[in-house]
Amino acid sequence: GENVEQHPSTLSVQEGDSAVIKCTYSDSASNYFPWYKQELGKRPQLIIDIRSNVGEKKDQRIAVTLNKTAKHFSLHITETQPEDSAVYFCAASNERSSGSARQLTFGSGTQLTVLP
Amino acid sequence: KAGVTQTPRYLIKTRGQQVTLSCSPISGHRSVSWYQQTPGQGLQFLFEYFSETQRNKGNFPGRFSGRQFSNSRSEMNVSTLELGDSALYLCASSIDRGREQYFGPGTRLTVT
Repeated sequence: GENVEQHPSTLSVQEGDSAVIKCTYSDSASNYFPWYKQELGKRPQLIIDIRSNVGEKKDQRIAVTLNKTAKHFSLHITETQPEDSAVYFCAASNERSSGSARQLTFGSGTQLTVLP
Repeated sequence: KAGVTQTPRYLIKTRGQQVTLSCSPISGHRSVSWYQQTPGQGLQFLFEYFSETQRNKGNFPGRFSGRQFSNSRSEMNVSTLELGDSALYLCASSIDRGREQYFGPGTRLTVT
């Protein structure tokens, strides 16, 4: 089955700096890659996603890039703010699979701390 | 649209008891997935239901089971509770399998 590895497990940045979180996946058939943000005591929330037919997607200060050849995708947060502090999870799935590959497989999470 | 709801939000049980957790998906969503989250751990997949059928199951013992009803609401059951079952149990709904998932607030289960 799919295996998603996420790095780093913890990341501290100064307010205003950029943060990058990277994930690699094992199943070349995976074609859907969402990112979730989970603040302390809250539910994970979908913040951005990308499908394999595009290489990059942006939403204000957040961007995701996808390299299908290398099987990795990354979350980029620019001009970080203290409210960006949270755990971020990446995930992957194959939207066209009829089997278990259709289930989202999550990375282990990255604790991002933005220092004021 | 109302978001995913889970009941109860908090639960305290003793070892050996059983528990049933409930999840109501977003209206129109047909897929419900369940996850266990423990401190310092990621999202460990329990199972996925779609059209009242279990489609996938994670690596959890048979004490963990679930079901889905015709209105897409789902329940999960844990029998013979162990201390290690203390966790936040999250359900997530999606309009179809493999699509973006939206999480409920979770049920915080404490086993004493």
